[in-house]
Amino acid sequence: RKEVEQDPGPFNVPEGATVAFNCTYSNSASQSFFWYRQDCRKEPKLLMSVYSSGNEDGRFTAQLNRASQYISLLIRDSKLSDSATYLCVASGGYQKVTFGTGTKLQVIP
Amino acid sequence: DTEVTQTPKHLVMGMTNKKSLKCEQHMGHRAMYWYKQKAKKPPELMFVYSYEKLSINESVPSRFSPECPNSSLLNLHLHALQPEDSALYLCASSQVAGGETQYFGPGTRLTVL
Repeated sequence: RKEVEQDPGPFNVPEGATVAFNCTYSNSASQSFFWYRQDCRKEPKLLMSVYSSGNEDGRFTAQLNRASQYISLLIRDSKLSDSATYLCVASGGYQKVTFGTGTKLQVIP
Repeated sequence: DTEVTQTPKHLVMGMTNKKSLKCEQHMGHRAMYWYKQKAKKPPELMFVYSYEKLSINESVPSRFSPECPNSSLLNLHLHALQPEDSALYLCASSQVAGGETQYFGPGTRLTVL
């Protein structure tokens, strides 16, 4: 079993739709969690950190469920520019940083 | 300035060559990382440097040799690579190791012939 797992997709959604991604992690020692987005042939860029209380940044909402060991990302009112691969990251525990397998999102006009 | 720079952007090398990848950050970060990313796969952690000391080596073959000359610079020395080592090599930095936001450089796209 991979340490951090995501549905690879692709998720094909129309503009304006709401889409949700989940990510599960197996290392209970993980302490910090992030969502990154990666455009084709570019480096990953931080989208948002994920806090236990949940956090929102504009159209993006991230949630953490430590008991079930999953994190989620909700994107509302999808834009064409949201098309990318979304990577979840679990960090901590002997400085280990592990990326999830990535979920590809394609927003369609 | 949240920029991490990497040189070169592209590198083509033969299996007998020796080359180096360079990474630089001026954010005062004390942790730096090397990742390898193959097409359609997530980045895989290779090395972590914390306060200029190697703290994690994810069982990387010895043909990859990291070096951290100072807190701003990170090198990856390459020798006798194999074609399967062709990938995007990403450098990242964070304030301290583990649990902190990482900032990534644009990567070096390496092709081994």
